[in-house]
Amino acid sequence: AQKVTQAQTEISVVEKEDVTLDCVYETRDTTYYLFWYKQPPSGELVFLIRRNSFDEQNEISGRYSWNFQKSTSSFNFTITASQVVDSAVYFCALSGDSGNTPLVFGKGTRLSVIA
Amino acid sequence: GAGVSQSPSNKVTEKGKDVELRCDPISGHTALYWYRQSLGQGLEFLIYFQGNSAPDKSGLPSDRFSAERTGGSVSTLTIQRTQQEDSAVYLCASSLNLNSNQPQHFGDGTRLSIL
Repeated sequence: AQKVTQAQTEISVVEKEDVTLDCVYETRDTTYYLFWYKQPPSGELVFLIRRNSFDEQNEISGRYSWNFQKSTSSFNFTITASQVVDSAVYFCALSGDSGNTPLVFGKGTRLSVIA
Repeated sequence: GAGVSQSPSNKVTEKGKDVELRCDPISGHTALYWYRQSLGQGLEFLIYFQGNSAPDKSGLPSDRFSAERTGGSVSTLTIQRTQQEDSAVYLCASSLNLNSNQPQHFGDGTRLSIL
């Protein structure tokens, strides 16, 4: 079975602090894809990144970076120098060929950045 | 617009009434998905379509829920004899196809409130 665990339910940080959102996954697939989505207070889920299981290179996009480690089945998301606009619920998701649903989401981490 | 469009944005109705929610996917996207998000909760997968076909309806919460898609484009989610526990945000997403590497792009959702 496929499963995504985001153990952190809520995180609060002060603006300009760095913050890491954890994501651990389970899958039997050898080929799979991992995603992060952001859901700001407005409600729309925004796609942030996709990573395939064969590419373990870390990725950086501005203040965002992602650390994919197959050895620990983790795909963590770090925001550097957080800003109030980063306040949102962040979802990690997994897609593979063996699951019953096309995309399996974690329960999300609510990030609050305080000015 | 270029994104996934859902209507209505908000729907308030009395218990026992039927409601119909509409989703217009991104043009050219063959895969379409419905999710439900209760207040402060994660995403509950309901059903997906490849073209007009929904291979697995087991995610629908009860037989009061049904969905269809015609012409490979617009989809409607119908809830009959609504109950208070149906109150939630109903999210629709689409992707280019069902391949597991394709990110899903979400609409703004329909906030359904059952009085």
